[in-house]
Amino acid sequence: DTGVSQNPRHKITKRGQNVTFRCDPISEHNRLYWYRQTLGQGPEFLTYFQNEAQLEKSRLLSDRFSAERPKGSFSTLEIQRTEQGDSAMYLCASSLDRGNTEAFFGQGTRLTVV
Amino acid sequence: GIQVEQSPPDLILQEGANSTLRCNFSDSVNNLQWFHQNPWGQLINLFYIPSGTKQNGRLSATTVATERYSLLYISSSQTTDSGVYFCAGGSQGNLIFGKGTKLSVKP
Repeated sequence: DTGVSQNPRHKITKRGQNVTFRCDPISEHNRLYWYRQTLGQGPEFLTYFQNEAQLEKSRLLSDRFSAERPKGSFSTLEIQRTEQGDSAMYLCASSLDRGNTEAFFGQGTRLTVV
Repeated sequence: GIQVEQSPPDLILQEGANSTLRCNFSDSVNNLQWFHQNPWGQLINLFYIPSGTKQNGRLSATTVATERYSLLYISSSQTTDSGVYFCAGGSQGNLIFGKGTKLSVKP
């Protein structure tokens, strides 16, 4: 296992289009997290899953955002009707849910909305 | 929710100098990590340290959970240490990040 994998690495889209990102966590990790990071800021929590259940959603996750983890393995984050303010780095992380709960991050997907 | 405050926000060092970065939490956390973000945006794990002291080469970290703070020590800094250092902590699964300390090490 090479760690958390995110695809695509970069995405440029026109305002109003829908985009979908994928995250493949470390295989034995049952928790999966999504974060957003804008320039000069720390990552902001969006949502997290334990197995296939979405346990928490930040108020940052507007109605245009939806995340799924249908089989408790990979996850997708979809943004509908993108806006310029959605331009950011989207980061995914995974961890165990007990014992050592250290989270490991993927390389991120950089979204640019033009 | 939990608030995370990092200090200093910016730090410029001469190569070889030592430094201490601090992270304060507004409430108790049971999960605390330090990261280094490289120029490409990748968050590199430095320490998972809910309490106690750990060392890894020139880096060490100490968390005093009862006083809700953590410290990251960098000794004999090198230019490759430059970048942004984040601490993050939480108590209910997710991690809340501070705004980071931007470290610049000059040759």
